[in-house]
Amino acid sequence: DTGVSQDPRHKITKRGQNVTFRCDPISEHNRLYWYRQTLGQGPEFLTYFQNEAQLEKSRLLSDRFSAERPKGSFSTLEIQRTEQGDSAMYLCASSSSRPNPQGVTDHSYEQYFGPGTRLTVT
Amino acid sequence: AQSVAQPEDQVNVAEGNPLTVKCTYSVSGNPYLFWYVQYPNRGLQFLLKYITGDNLVKGSYGFEAEFNKSQTSFHLKKPSALVSDSALYFCAVRDETGGSYIPTFGRGTSLIVHP
Repeated sequence: DTGVSQDPRHKITKRGQNVTFRCDPISEHNRLYWYRQTLGQGPEFLTYFQNEAQLEKSRLLSDRFSAERPKGSFSTLEIQRTEQGDSAMYLCASSSSRPNPQGVTDHSYEQYFGPGTRLTVT
Repeated sequence: AQSVAQPEDQVNVAEGNPLTVKCTYSVSGNPYLFWYVQYPNRGLQFLLKYITGDNLVKGSYGFEAEFNKSQTSFHLKKPSALVSDSALYFCAVRDETGGSYIPTFGRGTSLIVHP
């Protein structure tokens, strides 16, 4: 397994168009997260899945944004009727809990990020 | 509620000198603390974390971080900086008892290591 992958890496679209991004997490990870990052800021949480269930959504996630993880593996993030303010880097991350060699499960869930999709809305 | 602050937008250090990147946090319960590094046009890469136990945590690439509960800090350190350490560094916190699995990230600190 080579880590979290995202496709496409770059997307340029005109205002008003719809775009869809894909994320493939690390295969054994059951948790998947979407973030948005703009210049000079840290990642801002958008939404989170545990397996196929979408468990949390940020208030940042307007009605134009929708995310799915239909089989608990890859996920898609769709933005409808894009606006110039949607221009950002969209990051996907995955995590899981697993026992250490002593059999104790670590619930810290450090995240492993993909390379991101840079969206430019013109 | 949970929050994290990185008080320095930029840290400059000469190659071979020790470096420190500062982070302070606020949580209601016990913190899980993380450091990530981001190179240009790349996603974030996990460096190290504090869960419990030893206050000094060692991570990748020779980095370490010191957890200080009384000062609510988790500063990132390295004894001898390399030019290749130049990158954006993000601190993140998650409240162990908060019921959410979502960490809060700081705004990031740009580390510049001069040859």
